[in-house]
Amino acid sequence: DTAVSQTPKYLVTQMGNDKSIKCEQNLGHDTMYWYKQDSKKFLKIMFSYNNKELIINETVPNRFSPKSPDKAHLNLHINSLELGDSAVYFCASSQESASRDGTYEQYFGPGTRLTVT
Amino acid sequence: AQKITQTQPGMFVQEKEAVTLDCTYDTSDPSYGLFWYKQPSSGEMIFLIYQGSYDQQNATEGRYSLNFQKARKSANLVISASQLGDSAMYFCAMREGMGTGRRALTFGSGTRLQVQP
Repeated sequence: DTAVSQTPKYLVTQMGNDKSIKCEQNLGHDTMYWYKQDSKKFLKIMFSYNNKELIINETVPNRFSPKSPDKAHLNLHINSLELGDSAVYFCASSQESASRDGTYEQYFGPGTRLTVT
Repeated sequence: AQKITQTQPGMFVQEKEAVTLDCTYDTSDPSYGLFWYKQPSSGEMIFLIYQGSYDQQNATEGRYSLNFQKARKSANLVISASQLGDSAMYFCAMREGMGTGRRALTFGSGTRLQVQP
């Protein structure tokens, strides 16, 4: 009964390649996020989608393109991978409209460790 | 300016003792939420506790409590009766504009807690 799942868990690839990370949530939430955790463990928001609409797009290179085919899925495609893209990428979701408890708690997926060589 | 500051990169505590992890925040938004997440060595992000800016009482969840001092803009996490399994990285995070606005968490740099037997 995984709430937020990501595939793959590990991704090792060479510079210049294009890769995708998939995220799915079965919580019925209306908002999904991508966060990046760098080698120093710092977590930063990259993108956020609410009901398939992009609402946050931080200062992220154009090589990163999120796609939300429906409310339950948010994928991250990365073109022309660079060494600096090596990080752990977390998907998360929350219920924004009519939040039952008003906390807007974000549920995180297990993370995808991307290593670019 | 840093929105979330965690000044303790690392902390040690003896098993069964209490420990306080510091967090200060900076916002001009009257409506915000403060969250604590635990990240064990396995990498997943585990939600621990939430405090809303309008909450009159400090939040508690089992052995976790949040010492919320609004005037000082601090939201320290207190873990009582530490267990070996509490050894992990702990992140303080803030969400501004509850129910509206940015809808993403801003994280601190984290505190690595090690519980010693």
